[in-house]
This record gives sequence, C-alpha cells and structure tokens, in this order.
Amino acid sequence: AQTVTQSQPEMSVQEAETVTLSCTYDTSESNYYLFWYKQPPSRQMILVIRQEAYKQQNATENRFSVNFQKAAKSFSLKISDSQLGDTAMYFCAFMKHGDDKIIFGKGTRLHILP
Amino acid sequence: DTEVTQTPKHLVMGMTNKKSLKCEQHMGHRAMYWYKQKAKKPPELMFVYSYEKLSINESVPSRFSPECPNSSLLNLHLHALQPEDSALYLCASSQQDFWGNQPQHFGDGTRLSIL
Repeated sequence: AQTVTQSQPEMSVQEAETVTLSCTYDTSESNYYLFWYKQPPSRQMILVIRQEAYKQQNATENRFSVNFQKAAKSFSLKISDSQLGDTAMYFCAFMKHGDDKIIFGKGTRLHILP
Repeated sequence: DTEVTQTPKHLVMGMTNKKSLKCEQHMGHRAMYWYKQKAKKPPELMFVYSYEKLSINESVPSRFSPECPNSSLLNLHLHALQPEDSALYLCASSQQDFWGNQPQHFGDGTRLSIL
C-alpha cells in the first residue's frame, strides 16, 4: 500500500521569504503522479503543482517548484517570495498511474506572516 | 472561480431529516468523486463514479447514498445522519487521457452540520 508522509504539521515564515515543505512517500509502483494541493481557509482544494514520476525534470509553476528525488521517494515543495495569500493547508498527494484514488498526506499548515 | 460547483455551501440538518448535496461540472470529465473532510485533516474518499457508474465505495455507511444522473451531475443523498457525520463534503472531477488520469479538480465543498 502507498503512504504519504508530511513531517511538518505547521510552519510559519515571513512574507517574501522562501519556504520548503517536505513530503516523502512509499510505493512499489514505477509509474505514478505526485501532487501538491493547497487548501486556504476558503476551503477549496487547489492544485498547485503536478509531477509525473517518469519525468526527471522538476516541475515549476511560477513561484512554486518541487524537488523530486525518485530514488529517495521525496517530493518537497518550494515557495519563493512567499505572499500572504499563500497562507493555507498544503497537502502532498500520490496517485498510481491509471488509478482513480489519491493518497493524501496529513498536511502542513503554512502561515505567511506580514 | 471553481469549475466544479457544489450546492448548498452550508447545510444544517437534524438526524431524522433527508437532504441532498449536489455537484456539477461542465468540463467533460468522466470521473466524479465524493470526499469527506474533517477539520485539519486530509480529505477521505467516499465514492467514485467513472462514466456514470459507481466504481469505488470506500465502505461508506448506507445513510449516504450517491447518485450520478448524468455525466455532469453528482448527488449525495443523506438520511438519518449522525453528529459525527458533520464535516466538509468535497466533490471533485477528473479526466483521463492517453497518459493516465489527470489531476482532480475540487469544488468549494458543502459544510454539513448535524444537530
């Protein structure tokens, strides 16, 4: 069975700083996807970034980038130039290729301080 | 703006009531999902519909009854709920292409409170 572990329950950083959220996962699958979802207090789950396991290049979306280490089964999210609107719960998630189920980590609550 | 629309946004009901949650998407997605989310916890999958057929039921109690009338709509019928069923209920949808499943798009959720 797949598992996703987020070891940081809560983090706080000052606005404009860079912050890295950790995520590790365990799977015997070779073909899968990894995601970071953001859930602000407004409660909608928003896809931040997606990584296909077969791609070696780390995904990037504007200020958000990942460090995907397949051998180490690590998938961290880096937020550069953090903004107040980045305050949210962040979930790391795993999905096996061809599957309908997403496995979520327990989440990291991120506070961006003014 | 979310592309997955859920109504109502808030619902308060007694344990003997019958109510329904609704979810709608017009992105042509072939899979739709119901999740239950407690405060400060990740979403828990309840049901998956694929091409309008129930493909996954995560051992959800029968007081929750899903329905998929067509490819754009997903309902969750509620009856005789318990206080522990109070939670945020999220709907999601996704498409599948040659490369596999696309990410799930979530609605804003329905905040359900059972009195």
